Amino acid sequence: AQTVTQSQPEMSVQEAETVTLSCTYDTSESDYYLFWYKQPPSRQMILVIRQEAYKQQNATENRFSVNFQKAAKSFSLKISDSQLGDAAMYFCDLNAGNMLTFGGGTRLMVKP
Amino acid sequence: NAGVTQTPKFQVLKTGQSMTLQCAQDMNHNSMYWYRQDPGMGLRLIYYSASEGTTDKGEVPNGYNVSRLNKREFSLRLESAAPSQTSVYFCASSRGYTGNTIYFGEGSWLTVV
Repeated sequence: AQTVTQSQPEMSVQEAETVTLSCTYDTSESDYYLFWYKQPPSRQMILVIRQEAYKQQNATENRFSVNFQKAAKSFSLKISDSQLGDAAMYFCDLNAGNMLTFGGGTRLMVKP
Repeated sequence: NAGVTQTPKFQVLKTGQSMTLQCAQDMNHNSMYWYRQDPGMGLRLIYYSASEGTTDKGEVPNGYNVSRLNKREFSLRLESAAPSQTSVYFCASSRGYTGNTIYFGEGSWLTVV
């Protein structure tokens, strides 16, 4: 069985500041993929960033970057220069073997 | 681009009634999925179809059936709805089953009274 844990149910950040969302996972697979998805109030799920486990280099997408620590099975998301539009639920997703597992989500609030 | 389209967007059912949620994707994706999301919780996989002609159970398949009608369409059926099936249902698709970005529909709000 594989698990994904997001230990922060809610996070808050001031506009223009930086925030890091945590995700830890467990899998026995050696090859897998990790994703962060964003779900704004509209409920539409949107891909934020993707990381292949065999790549040591951390993925980045504009203001979004990850800190992928394979040995520690940690996959945190850093949002720089936070904007009001970043306010949403964020879900960590593990795709390993023939299983897809989402974490319970972190609600990010952005204060103006 | 339509992407993943699911219908209906909202539905109220009485306990014991049946209904089918329809889903279609226009991205020529091989894999399709049905998830449910309960209030304040993450997504749980109900069923998936890794490729046309195959379907497999996910984490919470009880009370549901699916049909991969063709490569584009993947429907979810509730044979006898129960209040515990009140949830938001998301259909999704991806190019392949492993390592590919999942594209989601906008969700279907289902209430069983």
